[in-house]
Amino acid sequence: EAQVTQNPRYLITVTGKKLTVTCSQNMNHEYMSWYRQDPGLGLRQIYYSMNVEVTDKGDVPEGYKVSRKEKRNFPLILESPSPNQTSLYFCASSRQGLYNEQFFGPGTRLTVL
Amino acid sequence: KNEVEQSPQNLTAQEGEFITINCSYSVGISALHWLQQHPGGGIVSLFMLSSGKKKHGRLIATINIQEKHSSLHITASHPRDSAVYICAFHQGAQKLVFGQGTRLTINP
Repeated sequence: EAQVTQNPRYLITVTGKKLTVTCSQNMNHEYMSWYRQDPGLGLRQIYYSMNVEVTDKGDVPEGYKVSRKEKRNFPLILESPSPNQTSLYFCASSRQGLYNEQFFGPGTRLTVL
Repeated sequence: KNEVEQSPQNLTAQEGEFITINCSYSVGISALHWLQQHPGGGIVSLFMLSSGKKKHGRLIATINIQEKHSSLHITASHPRDSAVYICAFHQGAQKLVFGQGTRLTINP
């Protein structure tokens, strides 16, 4: 089944404890992206990747890192999480950029205490 | 002022009604997406369009690039259409800018 998976789905952590949210797709897509969704602010793009080893900032990259060492994986790294990073996170992928259908992962609900 | 404005923010209708959700944006764009977010949180892409009209089942999306406006229509609405509908436009080549979403509730 073609899908985008994220892990974990739910996470409660404490300020400063490094964490990684994984994202994997099995559709051989070149484009992958991370978004966060907050009440009143909607969805906002964090980082995106056009292909392996090619990443770029979205609108809200501060406090996040990404890497794209393999085509299928695009992990989101929070080196020192803070409470303002409490949010619902979505990973998405598409065949080639934004002119193709976007496939979203199920979301990761992160709480930073 | 947000670059993308959706209206209405909330919409409640009876089953069978014709639904229209609007999306206006303030910058020149090349394409726009319509997304559906289910009550459980999952997001599904409905349409990507850069001109004219697209139809899929009971859903129709239109866009007028010059007037900076797009609409999503649902014909013969059904309670399973209850969701949040989000428009998003391309900023540059590879960034998406999202609207706030329209929460649609269809009562049986």
